[in-house]
Amino acid sequence: SYVLTQPPSVSVAPGQTARITCGGNNIGSKSVHWYQQKPGQAPVLVVYDDSDRPSGIPERFSGSNSGNTATLTISRVEAGDEADYYCQVWDSSSDHPGVFGTGTKVTVL
Amino acid sequence: EVQLVESGGGLIQPGGSLRLSCAASGFTVSSNYMSWVRQAPGKGLEWVSVIYSGGSTYYADSVKGRFTISRDNSKNTLYLQMNSLRAEDTAVYYCARDRSGYGPSGAFDIWGQGTMVTVSS
Repeated sequence: SYVLTQPPSVSVAPGQTARITCGGNNIGSKSVHWYQQKPGQAPVLVVYDDSDRPSGIPERFSGSNSGNTATLTISRVEAGDEADYYCQVWDSSSDHPGVFGTGTKVTVL
Repeated sequence: EVQLVESGGGLIQPGGSLRLSCAASGFTVSSNYMSWVRQAPGKGLEWVSVIYSGGSTYYADSVKGRFTISRDNSKNTLYLQMNSLRAEDTAVYYCARDRSGYGPSGAFDIWGQGTMVTVSS
C-alpha cells in the first residue's frame, strides 16, 4: 500500500516560515491534501488538491507538490498555528484508497 | 448548517460488536462520498472506510471483514458496524465528507466531533 512519510516535528519562531514535507513514491502525480488538528479537536482541511485553500483558511497556508515530495508552507507563523499536520492522498487504484501521512507536530517557539 | 454528529461509541469487550452512527444535516449523505477515519490515543489519523455515492464500499486492511460501512438515506445517516473488536481498534472515530461531488478526492471538508471507542476487558 501507498506510504506517506512526514517529519515527526518542526519548530519555528513566530513570524517565520514553517515547511512541512510529505514524502511518497511519485507523489507529484497525485493530489495531496493537508489537515490541521489541534488537541481534542477534529482535523480541519487547510489545503486541498496540492495548493488550493478552502474558504476561511488564511493565505498564509500554501502547498506545493512535485516529484516525490509535497510541502505545506505556513508563512508568518502565529502561536495559533501550533498543531499537528497531516498530509493525505486518495489512491483510487487501490482497494483501500485513503492514505494519511504519519503526521508532523508544529511547535511555535 | 452543514454538520456531522457521531454517536454510538463506548466501552466494549474484545470480540464484541458496536455500531457507530453519523447523522448529517445541511447536505445529503447519499449524494456524497463519506468516510470513517479513526485516531488511536496519542497516534495519527488512520483512514478506515468509504462509501461512494453509487454505493461502492472500501476498507482499510486492518478492518476488512470485520467492519461494514452503510447508510440510511431516509435518516440521512452514515453507519459503521464494527464486529470482532480488538484492543487495537480503540480510537476516536470520525465521520467525514469528501468535498468533491464528482468523484472521490480524499479531501474531507466536513468532519464530525468524533466518538470514542474503547475495547477492553
